Amino acid sequence: GENVEQHPSTLSVQEGDSAVIKCTYSDSASNYFPWYKQELGKGPQLIIDIRSNVGEKKDQRIAVTLNKTAKHFSLHITETQPEDSAVYFCASRGNDYKLSFGAGTTVTVRA
Amino acid sequence: DSGVTQTPKHLITATGQRVTLRCSPRSGDLSVYWYQQSLDQGLQFLIQYYNGEERAKGNILERFSAQQFPDLHSELNLSSLELGDSALYFCASRQTGTPNSPLHFGNGTRLTVT
Repeated sequence: GENVEQHPSTLSVQEGDSAVIKCTYSDSASNYFPWYKQELGKGPQLIIDIRSNVGEKKDQRIAVTLNKTAKHFSLHITETQPEDSAVYFCASRGNDYKLSFGAGTTVTVRA
Repeated sequence: DSGVTQTPKHLITATGQRVTLRCSPRSGDLSVYWYQQSLDQGLQFLIQYYNGEERAKGNILERFSAQQFPDLHSELNLSSLELGDSALYFCASRQTGTPNSPLHFGNGTRLTVT
């Protein structure tokens, strides 16, 4: 089955700086890559996703890049704010439509 | 609010007991997924149902079972509970008919086995 690796496991950034989280996947047939944000006491919430026919997607301060050849994708958060502090999960979906998640990155934005 | 409702929010029970977790998917979503999130771990896929039928199985223990009812709500049954079953259990639903429609998660049920 699909194996998704996510790095780093924890990330501390100064408010206003950028945060980058990287993921790799194993199944070359994977074609959909969402990112989820999980705040304390809540379920994961989709923040951005990218499909395999696109190399980059941006939504305000959040961007995701995909390199299908290298089988890796990244989440970029610019101008970080305290409310960006949360656990972020990457995921990939193959042809079986099952989402496989990375282990998560705990992001802390220091004021 | 994702539109996915899970009950109860918290559950405390003893080893050897059986519990039932309930999930109501978003209106119109036919697919329901169950995930387990243990402390400091990611989301582990357990099982998926589509319109009442089991569609895919992940790392679900034999002591666990699930079903989806005609009104599309789903229940996850956990039996002969062990301390290691303590975790957050999430339900998610997805709009079908669109190949890469996103999963929408509920806020989970926190199970504590003592």
